[in-house]
Amino acid sequence: DIVMTQTPLSLSVTPGQPASMSCKSSQSLLHTDGKTYLYWYLQKPGQSPQLLIYEVSRRFSGVPDRFSGSGSGTDFTLKISRVQAEDVGIYHCMQGIHHPATFGQGTKLEIK
Amino acid sequence: QVQLVESGGGVVQPGRSLRISCAASGYTFSSYGMHWVRQAPGKGLEWVALIWFDGSKRYYADSVNGRFTISRDDSKNTLYLQMDSLRVEDTAVYYCVRDPGSVAYYYDSWGQGTLVTVSS
Repeated sequence: DIVMTQTPLSLSVTPGQPASMSCKSSQSLLHTDGKTYLYWYLQKPGQSPQLLIYEVSRRFSGVPDRFSGSGSGTDFTLKISRVQAEDVGIYHCMQGIHHPATFGQGTKLEIK
Repeated sequence: QVQLVESGGGVVQPGRSLRISCAASGYTFSSYGMHWVRQAPGKGLEWVALIWFDGSKRYYADSVNGRFTISRDDSKNTLYLQMDSLRVEDTAVYYCVRDPGSVAYYYDSWGQGTLVTVSS
């Protein structure tokens, strides 16, 4: 199975400041169709995960533009330009190109 | 809007069985593959099982293969997970998720989850 490694495991950020987190996969997530199938989910406290980013950098419907994804191959980054209180929770990266789909262990974002 | 509502979780003894369900609404259920994903207390997310949109193929995580069975009833817009020979390590919140992918797996809608606790 593909191993997804997220860093850091926790992050404490002052509101209005940027945040950045990393996700690395043990194999390339680039498909022969030219797309890279890396996803980001946010699990707010007490809630189920919700899709934020698909195919590395495409924001899902309703996701604010302060969230941005980047990367290629095996190295990926999620950035929040200006953290807000509602952004707290656990951020999970996931790969969907290799069976079975696998998740990183999550990065927990807290507000200072 | 898309809604996925799980039910049937509870406390069960090791070795016993349990069936959980997921009622889907707000979209054409028969057009989508469906998965179960679980999250043990304080742990990350783990894919459990997949059933194709037409029910023709099913796949399982190694950890549950031979013990769990995923199924769907399109006439009732409902997804099921039959869990047999349950183990303490199966304790988790089980999420029903919709997969709109055609090339790769991904999940655009999640249920609220149902907690399964395996304990003597």
